[in-house]
Amino acid sequence: EADIYQTPRYLVIGTGKKITLECSQTMGHDKMYWYQQDPGMELHLIHYSYGVNSTEKGDLSSESTVSRIRTEHFPLTLESARPSHTSQYLCASSEYEGYRETQYFGPGTRLLVL
Amino acid sequence: KQEVTQIPAALSVPEGENLVLNCSFTDSAIYNLQWFRQDPGKGLTSLLLIQSSQREQTSGRLNASLDKSSGRSTLYIAASQPGDSATYLCAVNGVYTPLVFGKGTRLSVIA
Repeated sequence: EADIYQTPRYLVIGTGKKITLECSQTMGHDKMYWYQQDPGMELHLIHYSYGVNSTEKGDLSSESTVSRIRTEHFPLTLESARPSHTSQYLCASSEYEGYRETQYFGPGTRLLVL
Repeated sequence: KQEVTQIPAALSVPEGENLVLNCSFTDSAIYNLQWFRQDPGKGLTSLLLIQSSQREQTSGRLNASLDKSSGRSTLYIAASQPGDSATYLCAVNGVYTPLVFGKGTRLSVIA
């Protein structure tokens, strides 16, 4: 079973607030990801990281930032929350066997911006 | 740009039926194809991973096949059970590139 954790699980916050969604994994995986998923829709990649001090932008990254100071920790920050940010945010990490990559997902954070 | 399509979007079947979920992708230059399960309000659980050199993978009542040249994969679920009710997502990636997901098929198995 994967050991990847996300906090908070649920968050209701007002417009304009700065928020940080936490993600941590204890498996020592180098590669980590953040996805955004609206109900019934596909996952959209926001950011990913190949390892410590590495961050890359995905499809929907323009309104958020990430950092990767430690292998196990990959927080996502929204500088100014807006109602359009209301969604579910999923964190994942992956392990490689050669070119075979298996992703493990956290339980998600449901965000509601009023 | 890679696009992944899953058909049908939703499916409701009586318990015990065998069923097939379909996934297609536009760029056949993939290295991995994964099938995931997602329960409501939860994260994703990896079910099966097929590398491009493989044709199928099996796990219990699940069998996934891959036809890379035609850009298609199927997930076969045998003897469906109410506990199989969930959304099933297909995703593909190239070598060391991020996964691209389909929108999923929402499955309901009626007891």
